[in-house]
Amino acid sequence: GAVVSQHPSRVICKSGTSVKIECRSLDFQATTMFWYRQFPKKSLMLMATSNEGSKATYEQGVEKDKFLINHASLTLSTLTVTSAHPEDSSFYICSAGLAGVETGELFFGEGSRLTVL
Amino acid sequence: GQNIDQPTEMTATEGAIVQINCTYQTSGFNGLFWYQQHAGEAPTFLSYNVLDGLEEKGRFSSFLSRSKGYSYLLLKELQMKDSASYLCAVKDSNYQLIWGAGTKLIIKP
Repeated sequence: GAVVSQHPSRVICKSGTSVKIECRSLDFQATTMFWYRQFPKKSLMLMATSNEGSKATYEQGVEKDKFLINHASLTLSTLTVTSAHPEDSSFYICSAGLAGVETGELFFGEGSRLTVL
Repeated sequence: GQNIDQPTEMTATEGAIVQINCTYQTSGFNGLFWYQQHAGEAPTFLSYNVLDGLEEKGRFSSFLSRSKGYSYLLLKELQMKDSASYLCAVKDSNYQLIWGAGTKLIIKP
């Protein structure tokens, strides 16, 4: 199957700093990537859809100035949590689908656990 | 609104069979997925159903009834490594994935 790599897997930062998370499709090109957030024992919450070469589409309630998404190439999307606060601590996961695959299954990155002190 | 319901937690014995149910109410239907997620890791794809019936893949099978808005994931010959959360997700009429909260499966020796 397709491989999606996410980095870093864990990051601890001080309140007020910004953190960048990278999501790469290693063996395929992804025009669209999805960024999710997951709280403990909760479901995946779609934050935004990242579109290569254009602006991301954010879900209702997600602050676009807070969570900056850039999809500059067909293999890389980045999520930057700006001016992070403790409530931003969470598990962030990216995913991408393979074009032309009937099932439309998603391939997920390893996830990034952010802890804001 | 759109809703996916699945049990929060289930317990089963190693070597046994367990069925995890999922019911959904969504605006349209374009397929149902089951994903497995081990603690602290990203989900991995298990199965996809778009037509009614049973899809079998090794020890895992998934069933769908679109008229009932119902699916189940059947795990046979349970192994300790099957301890994980199992997420049900449905693609609605806009091809948006709606996720259930997941069922935590605990396997006991």
